[in-house]
Amino acid sequence: DIQMTQSPASLSASLEEIVTITCKASQGIDDYLSWYQQKPGKSPQLLIYDATSLADGVPSRFSGSRSGTQYSLKISRPQVDDSGIYYCLQSYSTPLTFGSGTKLEIK
Amino acid sequence: EVQLQQSGPEVGRPGSSVKISCKASGYTFTDYVMNWVKQSPGQGLEWIGWIDPEYGSTDYAEKFKKKATLTADTSSSTAYIQLSSLTSEDTATYFCARLFSGPRYFDYWGQGVMVTVSS
Repeated sequence: DIQMTQSPASLSASLEEIVTITCKASQGIDDYLSWYQQKPGKSPQLLIYDATSLADGVPSRFSGSRSGTQYSLKISRPQVDDSGIYYCLQSYSTPLTFGSGTKLEIK
Repeated sequence: EVQLQQSGPEVGRPGSSVKISCKASGYTFTDYVMNWVKQSPGQGLEWIGWIDPEYGSTDYAEKFKKKATLTADTSSSTAYIQLSSLTSEDTATYFCARLFSGPRYFDYWGQGVMVTVSS
């Protein structure tokens, strides 16, 4: 099984900061990597797919990148509404595996 | 508009089974693989498995192979997950999610169903 090591587990950021969340895959996943945001009591929502492609309707302050087997989600100048839990998902091979999640608070 | 409408909350006794539905609309049901994801209270997301409604073929995560059974009814565009031999560990919210093929990501999710195992 491919392990997705996500960090940090939680972070607090201000409106002026750049937020970066990372997921490191235990092996190559050929950019079959997507990012999701989940708010309390809601289902997850797609942000990024193919590691770097922005999903429809997602603000351009969200972006994805890759360096080796480490994938990153960046939020530039986050908004208060960006608070929530973020998950990465590898879909290169089954079992599909999620990162452990990052709880983000925007102050 | 694509929608995945899941059934309502369930309460199951230990040792019993529950069956949750996910009714798809707004697209051709057999064109997309349907996935199921578990979220235990206060925890992260776990992939349970998927079903290809066109062929009925399935794939499960190892830990769910004896716990979950995925089926699909193409006549009603509805996917199902049955959870058997319920224990307290099965208390969770269960989501269905459509897999967009090619790049493979979950583009639409159901609203989730809370299953509570209680005597």
